[in-house]
This record gives sequence, structure tokens and C-alpha cells, in this order.
Amino acid sequence: AQSVTQPDIHITVSEGASLELRCNYSYGATPYLFWYVQSPGQGLQLLLKYFSGDTLVQGIKGFEAEFKRSQSSFNLRKPSVHWSDAAEYFCAVGAGNTDKLIFGTGTRLQVFP
Amino acid sequence: GAVVSQHPSRVICKSGTSVKIECRSLDFQATTMFWYRQFPKQSLMLMATSNEGSKATYEQGVEKDKFLINHASLTLSTLTVTSAHPEDSSFYICSAGLGRNEQFFGPGTRLTVL
Repeated sequence: AQSVTQPDIHITVSEGASLELRCNYSYGATPYLFWYVQSPGQGLQLLLKYFSGDTLVQGIKGFEAEFKRSQSSFNLRKPSVHWSDAAEYFCAVGAGNTDKLIFGTGTRLQVFP
Repeated sequence: GAVVSQHPSRVICKSGTSVKIECRSLDFQATTMFWYRQFPKQSLMLMATSNEGSKATYEQGVEKDKFLINHASLTLSTLTVTSAHPEDSSFYICSAGLGRNEQFFGPGTRLTVL
């Protein structure tokens, strides 16, 4: 069965520092992978997605993610974090033949000035 | 881009009453919509998959008679929480499917049952 693991529940970084949020998935075939961001009391906004092709994916707000099949990972990165990036980040994998998404437990990002 | 709206954004109701939440895809037609529930500081829990013109598919453990879902058109799905109780208080989020598991999410509805 498909699953997603986000090992870091809470990450704190200083503004301007680089960021990497980890995501590992379990899926038998080539997965569809997504990163979403959620601000408090809001819905989820799609940051980026991977379907196929180039394994380095560029998204909105300066984020990127790299699909590494050998490590079953899809880590999210940003070279320089802004205070407005403080939010909850969810990694998700497409669940096979359905249109469902399997979500990780999320990583809460806190940014200090 | 694809925009999904939800209404209302917040609702407070008395125990025993029913509450309806609407989810609309504003600029695209969504054959499939999804309803999630999210508890504080937790991930999203899929409640059901709503298909236009057919019955919704509920996830295990979700009471279909309590959480009524109607997907009457390609742009509108509704979730009705019947006979709501305080334990139903939660953040409910809908999404609209665009194919290949890609979903666009609404802003969510905060339900508080007194």
C-alpha cells in the first residue's frame, strides 16, 4: 500500500537560511508526487508536482523538489527562507488507479527573524 | 489557475442540527471532488470521494448517513453533517480533482457544534 513519511514534525530556521523538508514515499510504480503548503486556518496550496521527466521540479514561491527513485524521496528545498514561509507543509503521493492522495503527517515550519 | 471555493468559511450550530457545506470549482469542471476532515495540528483525513452523478464513496469508518454528500453538477458538491454533535466540530476541506491525482483545495470550513 502507498504511504508517505515526513520524518520531521517541526523545523525551525532563521530567515535567509536554506531549507530542506524531507519526504519519503512507498509506492510500487512511478509515483505522482506533490507538495502542498497550508497556512493556519486555510486550505492547501499546491507548491509543485512531479509526474515524470526531469527529476528536479520547480514550484511557486521559490521552492523546488527533487525526485530520487533510489531513495524513494521527494524532498522540498528553498535556498533562502522568508518569514512568510512559516506554515505547515504536506507531501502527498497519488494513490494508484484512483484519484486519491495519500498525505504525510506534515512538517510545521517556523521562521525566526 | 484552478480555483475551488467553499461556503461557509465558518459555521456555529447547536447540537442536533444539520449543517450544509458547499464546494465549488469556479473555473473548471471537476468530475471528482473529495472531502477531508482535519483535526488541529494533524494531517488531512479523507472522508469520501464524490463523483458527479453517482453515489459518493466513503472511507472506512466514515458514517455515510451522518455525512451526506451530493455531487449534483460538475462544479458543485455538498457535504451535509446531519444531527451534528460537538465531536463533529472540525475543519472540513474539499478538493476538486483534475486528473492524475492532482487536486485543488478549497479554503476550508470551520465547524463548531455547541
